[in-house]
Amino acid sequence: EFVLTQSPRTLSLSPGERATLSCRASQSVTSNFFAWYQQKPGQAPRLLIYATSTRATGIPDRFSGSGSGTDFTLSISRLQPEDFAVYYCQQYDSVPPMSTFGQGTKLEIK
Amino acid sequence: QVQLVQSGAEMKRPGSSVKISCETSGGTFSTYAISWVRQAPGQGPEYMGRIVPIFGTPNYAQNFQGRIKITADKSTNTVYLELSSLRFDDTALYYCARGLGASGAYYTVYLYWGQGTLVSVSS
Repeated sequence: EFVLTQSPRTLSLSPGERATLSCRASQSVTSNFFAWYQQKPGQAPRLLIYATSTRATGIPDRFSGSGSGTDFTLSISRLQPEDFAVYYCQQYDSVPPMSTFGQGTKLEIK
Repeated sequence: QVQLVQSGAEMKRPGSSVKISCETSGGTFSTYAISWVRQAPGQGPEYMGRIVPIFGTPNYAQNFQGRIKITADKSTNTVYLELSSLRFDDTALYYCARGLGASGAYYTVYLYWGQGTLVSVSS
């Protein structure tokens, strides 16, 4: 079973600081099919990053993704008040079709 | 622009079935995969399955094999999810979502989401 483990589960920071969120896969991800989503209360997830490091349309450049193998990272520089939310990582593929999400990291205001 | 509009909340008994819909507008219906993703309270999203309407054959996640059915109606641009033998732990918000692209891995990275349908399973 493919599992994504996110850490930390909760991250307390202040606006203007830098956030680093981690996601570890139980097996090596051989492609770069890795994504990050942001979810606010009462809303559907919003795609931030796909293909490990490509920002989705309209996503500010303070969001960046990196990683390979089993370890992936979402970085948010200069946190803005609207960035405080829950973040999910996702590994996806087409052969075979699959999509697995992590359990989330809650980014809260310190 | 692309919009996905889902049917309303459902309350079901254990052992029964539920069928929810996702009507899409904007963009091309047939060539993009529509997936169903559910999210239990306080949990991460969970992929259930997908269908590419032009191909018609759905793909299901292992966890739901045997009690899930996804269909597409090209005449109304609507995708349906049917889940049977409902259990208490099927209580969740069910989302339909459209992939970023019209092929390969981009079927299952989600740019567009429905508003979610709450399914509550209670005796």
